[in-house]
Amino acid sequence: QVQLVESGGGVVQPGRSQRLSCAASGFSFSSYDMHWVRQAPGKGLEWVAVIWHDGSNEYYADSVQGRFTISRDNSKNTLYLQMNSLRVEDTAVYYCARGFSLGYFQNWGQGTLVTVSS
Amino acid sequence: DIVMTQSPDSLAVSLGERASINCKSSQSVLYSSNNKNYLAWYQQKPGQPPKLLIYWASTRESGVPDRFSGSGSETDFTLTISSLQAEDVAVYYCQQYYNTPQWTFGQGTKVEIK
Repeated sequence: QVQLVESGGGVVQPGRSQRLSCAASGFSFSSYDMHWVRQAPGKGLEWVAVIWHDGSNEYYADSVQGRFTISRDNSKNTLYLQMNSLRVEDTAVYYCARGFSLGYFQNWGQGTLVTVSS
Repeated sequence: DIVMTQSPDSLAVSLGERASINCKSSQSVLYSSNNKNYLAWYQQKPGQPPKLLIYWASTRESGVPDRFSGSGSETDFTLTISSLQAEDVAVYYCQQYYNTPQWTFGQGTKVEIK
């Protein structure tokens, strides 16, 4: 079955960097667009970024544009999120999600918590 | 961006009773060429990731109980739980995927047992 396992979360100081990973299994990873979605503590869902199935295109929410970079390694079935210049307001659980044809999000990982604090 | 607004923010329903959640989009999410509404619903139970319930506004995802149904078109949508069960306690989110590559969610509606 489809499995998405995020890792890389933790406590990081404002202005520093962190890289998240999402290991995928149970489906043909290279055939699907992949997303990052975040959820601040006690808040709702916020879409963060998407990368096309072949890595040819990537798009970002305005709130992270220029600071975050989404990437993927289809040979390793792994999705990444490089987060630079982190801010306190980036504190959230970060989920990776499998997209269906630029549409809805069919499967979600369990999430990894990133806490930005001095 | 398309803004999604859900109502109410929370509701308490007795076991076995009907629960209805509304979702309004700031512009139509109906794509005229295929007559499909680009609207999905997700369920998030405490401590868990979101789970896809419904897509194309009214198509249930495989394995989702038939007490969950989606309806509506263009800018106004409803998620209905026909007979609330204890395991349905969760926060429910609507999402538009019409205006890709920018996806937006509603603020969420918390469903509790009365």
